[in-house]
Amino acid sequence: KNQVEQSPQSLIILEGKNCTLQCNYTVSPFSNLRWYKQDTGRGPVSLTIMTFSENTKSNGRYTATLDADTKQSSLHITASQLSDSASYICVVSGRGGGYNKLIFGAGTRLAVHP
Amino acid sequence: GAVVSQHPSRVICKSGTSVKIECRSLDFQATTMFWYRQFPKQSLMLMATSNEGSKATYEQGVEKDKFLINHASLTLSTLTVTSAHPEDSSFYICSALPTGDYGYTFGSGTRLTVV
Repeated sequence: KNQVEQSPQSLIILEGKNCTLQCNYTVSPFSNLRWYKQDTGRGPVSLTIMTFSENTKSNGRYTATLDADTKQSSLHITASQLSDSASYICVVSGRGGGYNKLIFGAGTRLAVHP
Repeated sequence: GAVVSQHPSRVICKSGTSVKIECRSLDFQATTMFWYRQFPKQSLMLMATSNEGSKATYEQGVEKDKFLINHASLTLSTLTVTSAHPEDSSFYICSALPTGDYGYTFGSGTRLTVV
């Protein structure tokens, strides 16, 4: 069964600290993996997208890694800011059906406190 | 970059009435759009796939007669919640995939409250 599991479910950190969010997936065949940031009451916004051959990709203070062999990805946030408080969703795309079907993780709710 | 506009952002309606939500791709054409539903503190759940010029494909358990989808043009898909009930209150989000891009773009969502 195609699944995406994220951990931790929620996380509280102090402003300025770093944190790492985890994503494990069993989606096969794999097409690509995306990390999205979703602010409360808003639609998800793409942070990174990685294909099978990519191991790491950065977007400002966000760095995503991908290990396609172990089917694991992580999202590292550096020097956190209050505005980083949001849900971070890992989305894995599987092949088939004429377009890539998305499998969503349940998300990690991050709260950055001053 | 690719932008998906969703309207309205929030709507309150009376039980038994119908509500239409619009999803527009502003700077690209989308033959396929997707509609999601999200309950508080849960992830997005795919409701249906909207196909331009043809019938939508609904996920298992989603009532097609209740959630009417129309994709009449390459830039517009609409979701109509018919005979809304309080349990239909939720956050509805659409997305589309620009041609040649891996990244699905999401609308900003619509908060529906049925009273």
